[in-house]
Amino acid sequence: NAGVTQTPKFRILKIGQSMTLQCTQDMNHNYMYWYRQDPGMGLKLIYYSVGAGITDKGEVPNGYNVSRSTTEDFPLRLELAAPSQTSVYFCASRVPPGGQETQYFGPGTRLLVL
Amino acid sequence: EDQVTQSPEALRLQEGESSSLNCSYTVSGLRGLFWYRQDPGKGPEFLFTLYSAGEEKEKERLKATLTKKESFLHITAPKPEDSATYLCAVRGALSGGSYIPTFGRGTSLIVHP
Repeated sequence: NAGVTQTPKFRILKIGQSMTLQCTQDMNHNYMYWYRQDPGMGLKLIYYSVGAGITDKGEVPNGYNVSRSTTEDFPLRLELAAPSQTSVYFCASRVPPGGQETQYFGPGTRLLVL
Repeated sequence: EDQVTQSPEALRLQEGESSSLNCSYTVSGLRGLFWYRQDPGKGPEFLFTLYSAGEEKEKERLKATLTKKESFLHITAPKPEDSATYLCAVRGALSGGSYIPTFGRGTSLIVHP
């Protein structure tokens, strides 16, 4: 299993540009999450999904959108990038309820908005 | 609202110098307390889950303990390869069916040879 994979690893955006951060997991996990991590700060939840076709907002959803058309993929869309969105983005998934209470994280996407 | 406070923010140890990291939490109905390790430029990696006060778990030089108000990550005779940021997270009853944990800011550990 590759686990949770994210692309790209690093990206520079200009203010106002848009992009999609890709996340794929091959563990057949229903639950998937998008976090952002700023220096010295904890992980902040952006959006999450409990299964294909079901998404919901987390703590910091403004400026982002998600979709979940398949169990494997959970892309994060940035519309009209702003400097405040400069951060490291992590995608995570977890086993269905009743299993080990563990989140599996991807390697992250480092985004710089100039 | 669930809250997690980790201390210290940063810790420097000499190789072999044992110490502990603290994770204080407030949560409405603890459903799990989690420890993760994060290496620079990488995603967090799961270490332990603790569910109830008095529970302990060990992995190599690491031992996690849990009380009703805090958790400790004890590092015995650390080696330079233990250098990383250690994240603590809790999940409370209010997270419901979303299973969303609340993360602390982490403790950055550096072990000097």
